[in-house]
Amino acid sequence: EAGVAQSPRYKIIEKRQSVAFWCNPISGHATLYWYQQILGQGPKLLIQFQNNGVVDDSQLPKDRFSAERLKGVDSTLKIQPAKLEDSAVYLCASSLFGREGQETQYFGPGTRLLVL
Amino acid sequence: GDSVTQMEGPVTLSEEAFLTINCTYTATGYPSLFWYVQYPGEGLQLLLKATKADDKGSNKGFEATYRKETTSFHLEKGSVQVSDSAVYFCALRRNTGKLIFGQGTTLQVKP
Repeated sequence: EAGVAQSPRYKIIEKRQSVAFWCNPISGHATLYWYQQILGQGPKLLIQFQNNGVVDDSQLPKDRFSAERLKGVDSTLKIQPAKLEDSAVYLCASSLFGREGQETQYFGPGTRLLVL
Repeated sequence: GDSVTQMEGPVTLSEEAFLTINCTYTATGYPSLFWYVQYPGEGLQLLLKATKADDKGSNKGFEATYRKETTSFHLEKGSVQVSDSAVYFCALRRNTGKLIFGQGTTLQVKP
């Protein structure tokens, strides 16, 4: 079974530029998550999709971050404009369902972003 | 709000030593609890989980018991190997599926 795919693996940009990350979840997984992991910290949820609807985006900085999940499969996360503090690893994860009893989340390898 | 606190790292041990990584949590209700591991250059992998009080999760020689009375989920292994060197994350899961992670603990095992 193929895992969660993410691209690119690495990205270096200047501040105020824009950047986009792509995620392809495990086939059949209805729930997709984007987490931000700043160096030395644990991952923090940015946004959660159930199929193509948003379940939780309470910690997404909506003035600069946006995300979409077209047709309930692939997802893109965009930052525009980027700030220095956005330097982090962006992790995508997926699970069969979001509810109790179907809780195992599978993580992709992440995209490491450096903003200069 | 909900939170997870792990012991500070790095933890440095000799091979075959006993490992404990402390994890405590604050949450409403009774969340599921997890340990994830991140090996160098790799993504997060689920190590073990427990879904209710007194449950013991185990995998690859690692164990953790869900202790409701002390709100803890400490990770233990009786004899660590060099290949166990990684960053370990404790996490709780809300009803919506959202994971809340601790800050991670780096384990270094020396031969």
